[in-house]
Amino acid sequence: AQTVTQSQPEMSVQEAETVTLSCTYDTSESNYYLFWYKQPPSRQMILVIRQEAYKQQNATENRFSVNFQKAAKSFSLKISDSQLGDTAMYFCASGGSGAGSYQLTFGKGTKLSVIP
Amino acid sequence: GAVVSQHPSWVICKSGTSVKIECRSLDFQATTMFWYRQFPKQSLMLMATSNEGSKATYEQGVEKDKFLINHASLTLSTLTVTSAHPEDSSFYICSALDITGELFFGEGSRLTVL
Repeated sequence: AQTVTQSQPEMSVQEAETVTLSCTYDTSESNYYLFWYKQPPSRQMILVIRQEAYKQQNATENRFSVNFQKAAKSFSLKISDSQLGDTAMYFCASGGSGAGSYQLTFGKGTKLSVIP
Repeated sequence: GAVVSQHPSWVICKSGTSVKIECRSLDFQATTMFWYRQFPKQSLMLMATSNEGSKATYEQGVEKDKFLINHASLTLSTLTVTSAHPEDSSFYICSALDITGELFFGEGSRLTVL
């Protein structure tokens, strides 16, 4: 079984500033994947970044990076140079290994508002 | 990029009727699709895994006779909410897995049962 916890229901950040969204997880899988998804008002889920648990190096995608602390089961998302288009719900998710990789367990989400 | 389309995007129905929601992968074949349910201001909950040509695998607590899933082709999975009631009102989202292991989400379908 997997659980994902996002402790920040809402956050705001000034445009061009940096913000970090928190996520902790628990899993019984030996190998697993972690994801951050963005859900804008249009409701379509968009993959922001993905981390494979066996990789120690933190994933980075342009302005988005993660701080993956495997021992602490922590997977935070850092958004640099925040833009107005980053305003959305952000969901942290975990997936198992093999066929279960994409049977995702989502956290409750963090609503991020970027303020001009 | 790959596109997953859901239809209808919004449906309103009377209590007791059945509603079918389609999930199509427009430019790739998806042997596996997933159905999620999202209540307002809540997270996504996995309902079932849909595999082409075989029966869907339902998560614990999801009524398979209530939520019928059919994955008849490599590009189409359907979710039928049978004898819908107001408590079934929700946002239903599908995702599809392509051959490279990339996962793509549909735009979601909002169901309102009166």
